[in-house]
Amino acid sequence: GAVVSQHPSRVICKSGTSVKIECRSLDFQATTMFWYRQFPKQSLMLMATSNEGSKATYEQGVEKDKFLINHASLTLSTLTVTSAHPEDSSFYICSALGTGGDIQYFGAGTRLSVL
Amino acid sequence: TQLLEQSPQFLSIQEGENLTVYCNSSSVFSSLQWYRQEPGEGPVLLVTVVTGGEVKKLKRLTFQFGDARKDSSLHITAAQPGDTGLYLCAGERDAGNMLTFGGGTRLMVKP
Repeated sequence: GAVVSQHPSRVICKSGTSVKIECRSLDFQATTMFWYRQFPKQSLMLMATSNEGSKATYEQGVEKDKFLINHASLTLSTLTVTSAHPEDSSFYICSALGTGGDIQYFGAGTRLSVL
Repeated sequence: TQLLEQSPQFLSIQEGENLTVYCNSSSVFSSLQWYRQEPGEGPVLLVTVVTGGEVKKLKRLTFQFGDARKDSSLHITAAQPGDTGLYLCAGERDAGNMLTFGGGTRLMVKP
């Protein structure tokens, strides 16, 4: 089956620093990837849709200048949390749309802790 | 208010019991997916239902899509401790392949 790799799996950083999270589709090309955020004991909330070669589409309430998304190739999308603060601490999950265009394959998630 | 309401939010049962999780909406979805997520990991797709009234079985799990494609249910027969986890339903509407997730049902099966 299709595999999506997310890196790092866990990151701890100081307040004010920036953190980059990578999402790679390992055995297929993905023109569309999605970034989600999940707070403890809550469901996944879509943050943005990442389209290869174009600007990401952000959901209402998500600051595009704070959560920078780059989808420069068909197998890689990155999410950079800029000037992270403790309230940004969360579980970030990416998914990639399969070649059939009907199934999202999820990464294992990145737990971000901002001190 | 969430677009997809999932119930119950929490469920703690004994091994061998049966259970049903519900996913309801006032909106119509072109497809609905069920996922299971374990702590610290991404969600894993269990099934996708696309046709109103469709029933799919996956071993002890039975998934049903409502006739009007607004609701779905997941029934687990003879639950086992290995079924413990967070169950999420997610609906896809026509445009953009975006998924809207329900609030999740946290299931604990005690041996």
